[in-house]
Amino acid sequence: EELLVESGGDLVHPGGSLRLSCAASGFSFRSYFMHWVRQVPGKEPEWVSQIEGEETRTAYADFVKGRFTISRDNAKNTLYLQMNSLKGEDTAVYYCARGLSYPAQFMDVWGKGTTVTVAS
Amino acid sequence: AIQLTQSPSSLSASVGDAVTITCRASQGISSGLAWYQQIPGKAPRLLIYDASTLENGVPSRFSGSGSGTDFTLTIASLQPEDFATYYCQQFNTFPIIFGHGTRLEIK
Repeated sequence: EELLVESGGDLVHPGGSLRLSCAASGFSFRSYFMHWVRQVPGKEPEWVSQIEGEETRTAYADFVKGRFTISRDNAKNTLYLQMNSLKGEDTAVYYCARGLSYPAQFMDVWGKGTTVTVAS
Repeated sequence: AIQLTQSPSSLSASVGDAVTITCRASQGISSGLAWYQQIPGKAPRLLIYDASTLENGVPSRFSGSGSGTDFTLTIASLQPEDFATYYCQQFNTFPIIFGHGTRLEIK
């Protein structure tokens, strides 16, 4: 079974940092683009970042550029999101998602999500 | 950034009905559109990509059409498990954008 399991969500103060992890299993992790998508309950999903499979080229939404960093460890089948300078508006459920083989910007496997709360 | 406008924002229908949801892009995106279903408390589920390609395992009562700026998702005969929120998502250029959603409720 193709599975993604996120972890690392927590309550953090504004200006703080957090690192999310996403453990992948059941598929060849290194062969796929991976994404982070966040969602405030009751609102639409919001794409955060993408990383390519082997070359580690990345893309970010403007609202996280310079604050968040996506990375991956293909030997550990794990995706990461380093989040710095956190703001209240970053509060959301964060999902990791696998991109299709092609086109890689549509997402066919999702984790259950991890909750990030930014509050004082 | 490209904007996506979904309509209606909510819809009431009965089991067995056929329903259509539309998604309009603020500029042409060729066939770069996907549809997702989301049940409360769960992650989105991919239904359709490339505007009209059915994802593996998705029932054939779901279909998508359109290109350029205007797209539709049709559910041919609603089943109880179809009552959920549906989102369109574009990828023609970054950033990846999701529509605001259409909540499908039981009448």
